Amino acid sequence: DAGVTQSPTHLIKTRGQQVTLRCSPKSGHDTVSWYQQALGQGPQFIFQYYEEEERQRGNFPDRFSGHQFPNYSSELNVNALLLGDSALYLCASSGRTGGRNVLTFGAGSRLTVL
Amino acid sequence: EDQVTQSPEALRLQEGESSSLNCSYTVSGLRGLFWYRQDPGKGPEFLFTLYSAGEEKEKERLKATLTKKESFLHITAPKPEDSATYLCAVQAGANNLFFGTGTRLTVIP
Repeated sequence: DAGVTQSPTHLIKTRGQQVTLRCSPKSGHDTVSWYQQALGQGPQFIFQYYEEEERQRGNFPDRFSGHQFPNYSSELNVNALLLGDSALYLCASSGRTGGRNVLTFGAGSRLTVL
Repeated sequence: EDQVTQSPEALRLQEGESSSLNCSYTVSGLRGLFWYRQDPGKGPEFLFTLYSAGEEKEKERLKATLTKKESFLHITAPKPEDSATYLCAVQAGANNLFFGTGTRLTVIP
């Protein structure tokens, strides 16, 4: 079982650029959530996708957008990057297998904005 | 507004020295309290879910308990491999989790 896979693992961007992060959920999971984790902080909820639609959204601006594909994989897009967007971006999946409220996290994509 | 406070921020223990981590929460309509372990450079790993006051769950050297206002993660006779950041999270009305800032545990051989 591959678990949740994320790519890329690390990337560096400059202010104003755009970034796309990718996530493949754990086998058997159909729901994908994205979290932002700043250094020394706990993860903060960005949004959740189920059946290819955004179902819930946290307190993040519209610069953060996402997509879920028919195979349940997901992308997180961030436009007009700011220095404060530097963080570890975590993808988590869930589904009927193991309980809908138990999240399985990937290792994350570490974004550095210069 | 949902709030989760974890203490202490950091904890250093000698191998075999038992202790407890605290997670106090303020949330309307708790649907579940979660404990995760996070190793450096990795995503959080699920440990426990607790749903109601008085509930307890155990896994190896870890035991989680829940009251109406807080949860404790008890670590009995810890080993160096237990060193990690332990995150507490609550689930309220929505399906997302609200995390605390974590307790960074270091177990010294």
